[in-house]
Amino acid sequence: AQTVTQSQPEMSVQEAETVTLSCTYDTSESDYYLFWYKQPPSRQMILVIRQEAYKQQNATENRFSVNFQKAAKSFSLKISDSQLGDAAMYFCAYRSLTDSGGSNYKLTFGKGTLLTVNP
Amino acid sequence: EAQVTQNPRYLITVTGKKLTVTCSQNMNHEYMSWYRQDPGLGLRQIYYSMNVEVTDKGDVPEGYKVSRKEKRNFPLILESPSPNQTSLYFCASSPVGRHPTNEKLFFGSGTQLSVL
Repeated sequence: AQTVTQSQPEMSVQEAETVTLSCTYDTSESDYYLFWYKQPPSRQMILVIRQEAYKQQNATENRFSVNFQKAAKSFSLKISDSQLGDAAMYFCAYRSLTDSGGSNYKLTFGKGTLLTVNP
Repeated sequence: EAQVTQNPRYLITVTGKKLTVTCSQNMNHEYMSWYRQDPGLGLRQIYYSMNVEVTDKGDVPEGYKVSRKEKRNFPLILESPSPNQTSLYFCASSPVGRHPTNEKLFFGSGTQLSVL
């Protein structure tokens, strides 16, 4: 079974600075997706960024980028120019692409990192 | 607007009183799923469904039931709720098949359940 580990329960960053959230995962598969989800106080689950394992290029979405190291099974999220609205719980998640009758659509989540942005 | 709708958003109940949390999606998605979120544990899958009348257990199915009689609806049933089922619940849906639009799950807004 796959596991996802977020080793930082809490992080803080000054407004306009850069912060990196860590995520490692364990899998024996070669074909999968990785995601970062943001959960603000409203509790809504918002997709921040996704990475296909077969792509070597790191995904980028505006101020959000990832550092995907497939051999090391590492998938960190970098937030540049942090804003007050970035304050939230961030979840790293894994999804298998090995067809297994539906169980591969499951997202396996890490425990989350609570990000505080200081003005 | 494409969305997954959960009801209610908040629910307080007592031990043993049967309850149903509804979930409906308007995107004609085949795949639907329920997760629970607990502090320090992240989100864990309860049940999922690949299509009408096709359901299967996730990682934490004990104490829950689901049904999929219509493609759009996937209710979560707690026949005899207990305090350890106090949690934040999310319904999610996705199309099936390897397609760019199924690279993410569409989540509902969550249901905060408290069992006293």
